[in-house]
Amino acid sequence: EAGVAQSPRYKIIEKRQSVAFWCNPISGHATLYWYQQILGQGPKLLIQFQNNGVVDDSQLPKDRFSAERLKGVDSTLKIQPAKLEDSAVYLCASSPGAGIGYGYTFGSGTRLTVV
Amino acid sequence: KNQVEQSPQSLIILEGKNCTLQCNYTVSPFSNLRWYKQDTGRGPVSLTIMTFSENTKSNGRYTATLDADTKQSSLHITASQLSDSASYICVVQGNTGKLIFGQGTTLQVKP
Repeated sequence: EAGVAQSPRYKIIEKRQSVAFWCNPISGHATLYWYQQILGQGPKLLIQFQNNGVVDDSQLPKDRFSAERLKGVDSTLKIQPAKLEDSAVYLCASSPGAGIGYGYTFGSGTRLTVV
Repeated sequence: KNQVEQSPQSLIILEGKNCTLQCNYTVSPFSNLRWYKQDTGRGPVSLTIMTFSENTKSNGRYTATLDADTKQSSLHITASQLSDSASYICVVQGNTGKLIFGQGTTLQVKP
């Protein structure tokens, strides 16, 4: 079974620039998550999709972050404009469903450095 | 406030030794507790998942315990190997389905 694919692996941008990350979940997984993981901390949920609909985006900084999951398969996360504090690893995860007990599979993440 | 606290923050042990990582949580209502291993530059990988009724679960040299009464869990690593060097994250899933992550314990195994 192929894992969760993310690209790019690394990205360095200047503050106020824009950046986009891409995620392809495990085939058939209805639920897709984007997490932000700052160095030395656990992941923080940014947004959760169920198929192509948003379930939870309460912690997404909507003034600068946006995400979409067209057709309910792959997803993109965009930051515009980036700030220094956005430097982090952005993890994508998928699960078969959004209910209790489902296993999550994480991608390797995109490490973003904002300078 | 639902929280997951892990200790120690970091740990260094010699190859072949055992170690135990701790996790305390205040998440309520509780559904399950998970331990993940995160290698540097990689995403977290699931080691174990335990529900309310389970006291212990093993995955090779990894053994997780859960005391739902005291809201404590531990991850015991037996006969450590260099490849065990990673961050170990305790995660609690409440009845809403949301995962609540601890900050992780960084383990370094030295030869």
